[in-house]
Amino acid sequence: GAGVSQSPRYKVAKRGQDVALRCDPISGHVSLFWYQQALGQGPEFLTYFQNEAQLDKSGLPSDRFFAERPEGSVSTLKIQRTQQEDSAVYLCASSLRRLAGDGDTQYFGPGTRLTVL
Amino acid sequence: QKEVEQDPGPLSVPEGAIVSLNCTYSNSAFQYFMWYRQYSRKGPELLMYTYSSGNKEDGRFTAQVDKSSKYISLFIRDSQPSDSATYLCAMSARGTGRRALTFGSGTRLQVQP
Repeated sequence: GAGVSQSPRYKVAKRGQDVALRCDPISGHVSLFWYQQALGQGPEFLTYFQNEAQLDKSGLPSDRFFAERPEGSVSTLKIQRTQQEDSAVYLCASSLRRLAGDGDTQYFGPGTRLTVL
Repeated sequence: QKEVEQDPGPLSVPEGAIVSLNCTYSNSAFQYFMWYRQYSRKGPELLMYTYSSGNKEDGRFTAQVDKSSKYISLFIRDSQPSDSATYLCAMSARGTGRRALTFGSGTRLQVQP
């Protein structure tokens, strides 16, 4: 079946612009995650949804970052007034499970590479 | 200091070699341990998933977890050029409700034909 898809794959923004990144999780997956991966680093957690509820946003670096999943499927990560330090790959992952536990596998999309000039 | 430490490499080995990749961690709450493989400009792909201490084998891959030492390893036998990628360890805690994975910084592996 289809995996996690993300769009756009590449985004170039001028400093100060707003951007919106889209994630389509695997069909039927309850949980959805956003991670940020800087060059040469591992992914870092941003936020987590269970269906439409945002249960954890502890990783969002500032109030310029906002995520939503209004119907419990597609999710959008929005970054307002982009800064150069926002340049990174933004990864979306989804999981079939509701709860942490054995077998809680997160499946990742290909990511959106954001470059802020 | 990061919660998960991983040698960034790069690690270069000849085809057919046994590869050993390692991570150490500081958070004793971590119970679930994963290894992901990430090819250039792709998302991470899950290779191995283990719970608590012990070994798990899947084909050419063996994952080991030593919770007493807070140390996890991934062994790749008979390495192939197609194994050339960045390998990320990841871990999460059980029972806290926190679903976030904590990743190492990744080790870049190059298998020379």
